[in-house]
Amino acid sequence: EAGVAQSPRYKIIEKRQSVAFWCNPISGHATLYWYQQILGQGPKLLIQFQNNGVVDDSQLPKDRFSAERLKGVDSTLKIQPAKLEDSAVYLCASSLGRSTEAFFGQGTRLTVV
Amino acid sequence: QKEVEQNSGPLSVPEGAIASLNCTYSDRVSQSFFWYRQYSGKSPELIMSIYSNGDKEDGRFTAQLNKASQYVSLLIRDSQPSDSATYLCAVNNFGNEKLTFGTGTRLTIIP
Repeated sequence: EAGVAQSPRYKIIEKRQSVAFWCNPISGHATLYWYQQILGQGPKLLIQFQNNGVVDDSQLPKDRFSAERLKGVDSTLKIQPAKLEDSAVYLCASSLGRSTEAFFGQGTRLTVV
Repeated sequence: QKEVEQNSGPLSVPEGAIASLNCTYSDRVSQSFFWYRQYSGKSPELIMSIYSNGDKEDGRFTAQLNKASQYVSLLIRDSQPSDSATYLCAVNNFGNEKLTFGTGTRLTIIP
């Protein structure tokens, strides 16, 4: 069974530029999560989808971050414009349902300079 | 109060000993509890899930859940150097069903 796929693996951008991350969850998984993990901290939930609907986006900085999950499968997370403090690893995870085990992709390491 | 709290460590344990990792959570109606292992530079890897009070064993790992005390722990028996990693506790809340992580405990196994 294929795992959660994310791309790109690494990205370096200048502040005020825009960037987009892509995630393809495990086949059949209805729930998709985007987390931000800053070095030395635990993952912070940015947004959680159930199929193509948003379950929670309370910690998503909506003035600069946006996410979508069209057709309830793939998802993209966008940052525009980026700030230095957005430097982090962005992790995508998926699970069969909202209370079941979640599995992570390899993550995208973003550096904003 | 943080939703999920862990001691950040570092926790140092001699090889072959039992490592004990603890986690407390604030939402009484939380229903699903998970332990993840994260090696440096890698993404979190699920190692245990527990849904009801009591103990759950899987190989060298035992998860313990006490909902009355809002406490979940992970025991690693016969600790190996390869167990050196950061261990993340995650809790799924019944109401909004968010999956929330603690800050993690860094564990070092000393040969």
